Amino acid sequence: AQSVTQLDSQVPVFEEAPVELRCNYSSSVSVYLFWYVQYPNQGLQLLLKYLSGSTLVESINGFEAEFNKSQTSFHLRKPSVHISDTAEYFCAVIMNSGYSTLTFGKGTMLLVSP
Amino acid sequence: GAGVSQSPRYKVAKRGQDVALRCDPISGHVSLFWYQQALGQGPEFLTYFQNEAQLDKSGLPSDRFFAERPEGSVSTLKIQRTQQEDSAVYLCASSAQGAGGYTFGSGTRLTVV
Repeated sequence: AQSVTQLDSQVPVFEEAPVELRCNYSSSVSVYLFWYVQYPNQGLQLLLKYLSGSTLVESINGFEAEFNKSQTSFHLRKPSVHISDTAEYFCAVIMNSGYSTLTFGKGTMLLVSP
Repeated sequence: GAGVSQSPRYKVAKRGQDVALRCDPISGHVSLFWYQQALGQGPEFLTYFQNEAQLDKSGLPSDRFFAERPEGSVSTLKIQRTQQEDSAVYLCASSAQGAGGYTFGSGTRLTVV
């Protein structure tokens, strides 16, 4: 079984400042990793994913995440946030072999203020 | 359709009432998943279908919860004799094949009063 830990339930940050949302996972086998974003009263939208290859993955709106196998982490970063980035961010994992379903962390609320 | 559609968007039920939540997955998607998201929590897995077969229902919290997908497309999650602890957002997701492509619907927010 796998599990996901998002230690920060809330991250307040000022507009145009950099941000890092932390995600650590636990699994006895290799995993695929995902970040989802949830805006108020909306469903989950895939932000980015790591399946294989380059350990640094990027989204179209400036977010990036780096898979670190030795530290079992997949932290999400953005060098300069916008007000519109205010949302809940969920890290999720799935085993890359056999049957598995997405396991989510508890989420981190990113609060961007002017 | 273009995305995963869930209905109703909001549902208020009196305690003890039965409810049915509908999910229309993306056309052609083989896999369908239901998740429950309590307030302030991450989504928790409920059940998984591959076509019409329910391959995993290990996340269903009690025998009051029942899901079906009789023709391998639309799915219904039914909750009998609703309790206050059932209040949550119920999310449906579908996937073609492989691990990279879960698409979530907007969810149904169930409030049991």
